[in-house]
Amino acid sequence: KQEVTQIPAALSVPEGENLVLNCSFTDSAIYNLQWFRQDPGKGLTSLLLIQSSQREQTSGRLNASLDKSSGRSTLYIAASQPGDSATYLCAVRFMTTDSWGKLQFGAGTQVVVTP
Amino acid sequence: GAGVSQSPSNKVTEKGKDVELRCDPISGHTALYWYRQSLGQGLEFLIYFQGNSAPDKSGLPSDRFSAERTGGSVSTLTIQRTQQEDSAVYLCASSLGNTSGGLAYNEQFFGPGTRLTVL
Repeated sequence: KQEVTQIPAALSVPEGENLVLNCSFTDSAIYNLQWFRQDPGKGLTSLLLIQSSQREQTSGRLNASLDKSSGRSTLYIAASQPGDSATYLCAVRFMTTDSWGKLQFGAGTQVVVTP
Repeated sequence: GAGVSQSPSNKVTEKGKDVELRCDPISGHTALYWYRQSLGQGLEFLIYFQGNSAPDKSGLPSDRFSAERTGGSVSTLTIQRTQQEDSAVYLCASSLGNTSGGLAYNEQFFGPGTRLTVL
């Protein structure tokens, strides 16, 4: 069974510290991996998309790495700010699936950045 | 430009009633997806449409759920004879369709969701 796991489930850091969020997946045959942010009561905001052929993607203070062979992705957020407080979700598009249109989501990491 | 929009934002209904949820994808996006987010199950895929192809309904939890997409744009998710376990946030997403790399490589963009509460 293809699964996506995010550990830890929750994380609290002081403002200015770098954030490191982990995502692991059980099958290395993927099309891509997408990181999202979700604020309470809101929809999902796409942060970064990493194709299977890429090792990393960067956008501003965000950097995501991908290691397919070990089934891992890491999202780094530099110099965290209180506005970074949200739930971060990792989603994988597996190749060997009954529906390659779908994203398989992890349960998310809830992040609190304290001033 | 405008993102994915969904309506209503909140819907409260009584058990046994039918409900319709609407999604307007980003203009030019030919692929449209429905997901459901609930406390116990996390985010789960329901159905997706790509152009004029038959939809992939593999994630629909029961035959009480159906969806259609008219004119290749707006989509409606219908839940018949609602049950309390249907209470969740229903999220719609869209993406570019079959670009040179193929549908599976395209980024999905989500709407704000519809919160459904079944009493």
